[in-house]
Amino acid sequence: DTGVSQDPRHKITKRGQNVTFRCDPISEHNRLYWYRQTLGQGPEFLTYFQNEAQLEKSRLLSDRFSAERPKGSFSTLEIQRTEQGDSAMYLCASSGGQDNQPQHFGDGTRLSIL
Amino acid sequence: LAKTTQPISMDSYEGQEVNITCSHNNIATNDYITWYQQFPSQGPRFIIQGYKTKVTNEVASLFIPADRKSSTLSLPRVSLSDTAVYYCLEVGTGFQKLVFGTGTRLLVSP
Repeated sequence: DTGVSQDPRHKITKRGQNVTFRCDPISEHNRLYWYRQTLGQGPEFLTYFQNEAQLEKSRLLSDRFSAERPKGSFSTLEIQRTEQGDSAMYLCASSGGQDNQPQHFGDGTRLSIL
Repeated sequence: LAKTTQPISMDSYEGQEVNITCSHNNIATNDYITWYQQFPSQGPRFIIQGYKTKVTNEVASLFIPADRKSSTLSLPRVSLSDTAVYYCLEVGTGFQKLVFGTGTRLLVSP
């Protein structure tokens, strides 16, 4: 079963460093989503792609956050100049191309900022 | 932002049926209702999705009344491994409905 894969599963870094996370969606899915989840809260939507096009990015938390999906397959989420408040679980999900299709999530990357 | 409402927590015992209800006061005509289960340190797992009436799969049933202002996830004969957080979500056109809320923490005891 090739579900959504995220790498790395855990990332520990010092404040001010840049970090990049990778997401490999389910192969036939052309939509890809990024979320952030903090302790005790539900996932918070950040951005999403339809194939290689980033259709929404206004919810990215600041200009330090950026995402790419250059060939419409895997995606990367980058956080520049990390801050302590960036510590969270970063989740990726993918779905088929229709609006009502359910998303399938990876197990996330847990980011800890020292 | 559209946001669903569900109980913060529920307790149950092994073997019982558990019903978790979500309110959908701002649901749109095109929206489907989707439920997820999440264990600690894992991503949410899709359970079931429906538009109206009743949907059943191998793990749960979903009841949606005619006015679609609420939905009820029914878990038959829960076990300890069903202890998790359950989220309801409206899925439709665009990203505005992608608001998970805090979910319902279900604790199943022996």
